[in-house]
Amino acid sequence: DGGITQSPKYLFRKEGQNVTLSCEQNLNHDAMYWYRQDPGQGLRLIYYSQIVNDFQKGDIAEGYSVSREKKESFPLTVTSAQKNPTAFYLCASTQLQGRDEQFFGPGTRLTVL
Amino acid sequence: AQRVTQPEKLLSVFKGAPVELKCNYSYSGSPELFWYVQYSRQRLQLLLRHISRESIKGFTADLNKGETSFHLKKPFAQEEDSAMYYCALSSTGRRALTFGSGTRLQVQP
Repeated sequence: DGGITQSPKYLFRKEGQNVTLSCEQNLNHDAMYWYRQDPGQGLRLIYYSQIVNDFQKGDIAEGYSVSREKKESFPLTVTSAQKNPTAFYLCASTQLQGRDEQFFGPGTRLTVL
Repeated sequence: AQRVTQPEKLLSVFKGAPVELKCNYSYSGSPELFWYVQYSRQRLQLLLRHISRESIKGFTADLNKGETSFHLKKPFAQEEDSAMYYCALSSTGRRALTFGSGTRLQVQP
């Protein structure tokens, strides 16, 4: 099953620790996105990147950081500054030309203990 | 600011009944609207987009700019339609999606 992968599936973190979520795609997509999903709130955009070595804040970027060193990879770091990090995190990618369907990964569920 | 509203958290219907999942949006530009679906234990995936004006799995959605709505409809619900449905709006430029809060559709036998 190619496409877009996220790891790990479940992640537990102690308060005060940073943690990095992995997102990889083999679709040759230019753009990648991180969303956070909370019950009853839909998905909210954290960060996005349209080109290697460049990224922009989304609607809820505080407490998060990203990097885009390779086209295929867009890891998300949840820092200790994020006040309420327990959530389901979804990564997505899309082409910038033509059809703009976003393809989603399976998600990572982060729980802060 | 752009916003997508799905007023129903849960919609429960019987098999064979018509279904309408409501979606309203606010956006200053020309909107691109989508419906995404998440079946149990599966990834979020695109169901349909307004530009294509297509019918997927019997579902259709018409963009009504006057009412700023993009309701999803199906004349006869099937049990396999049970899932979480999200309406989403794409902003020009960043291509990121603004999602509604989602509606869970339950189709009972």
